[in-house]
Amino acid sequence: AQSVTQLDSQVPVFEEAPVELRCNYSSSVSVYLFWYVQYPNQGLQLLLKYLSGSTLVKGINGFEAEFNKSQTSFHLRKPSVHISDTAEYFCAVTSSGGFKTIFGAGTRLFVKA
Amino acid sequence: KAGVTQTPRYLIKTRGQQVTLSCSPISGHRSVSWYQQTPGQGLQFLFEYFSETQRNKGNFPGRFSGRQFSNSRSEMNVSTLELGDSALYLCASSQQGREAETQYFGPGTRLLVL
Repeated sequence: AQSVTQLDSQVPVFEEAPVELRCNYSSSVSVYLFWYVQYPNQGLQLLLKYLSGSTLVKGINGFEAEFNKSQTSFHLRKPSVHISDTAEYFCAVTSSGGFKTIFGAGTRLFVKA
Repeated sequence: KAGVTQTPRYLIKTRGQQVTLSCSPISGHRSVSWYQQTPGQGLQFLFEYFSETQRNKGNFPGRFSGRQFSNSRSEMNVSTLELGDSALYLCASSQQGREAETQYFGPGTRLLVL
């Protein structure tokens, strides 16, 4: 069975500071990893995904994530956040051969002026 | 292309009633997944349909059911509503429902059970 753990439920950060949102997963088979963002009163939108190849993945809005197989992690980072990045961020995993995506509990990012 | 649409956007029901939610996927997408989002449980997978067939199901009671039509539109039904069914119900579509594909989410239907 797969599972996803987002280690921080809330992350407050000042504008223009760097941020890292942590995600760990467990799975007995190969996985595909995703980060989605949800703005208030909206559905989820893909930020980036790791399928294979380079372990550093770049996404939209200046976000990037690094896949670490030995630590089963897929942490999301941004070097300088904006007020508009305030949202909830979800890490998700789909296993090879599966049609089911498992989401983490979400991390609420608050960017303060 | 138009995005994923869900109707209605908001719904208020009372315990014991039933409800049907609708989802229209992006044109050309044949896979539709449903999720329940609550503050306590986060996003939980309900089921996934592809070409009118349910391919996978989450751990929800039989009161939760769904179907998909030949035009890929999908409906989910919840019978005998309970207070705990109050949630945001999200629908997502993808072309084939393969594990590496991006899912495109609708804005959700917010259900309140009184």
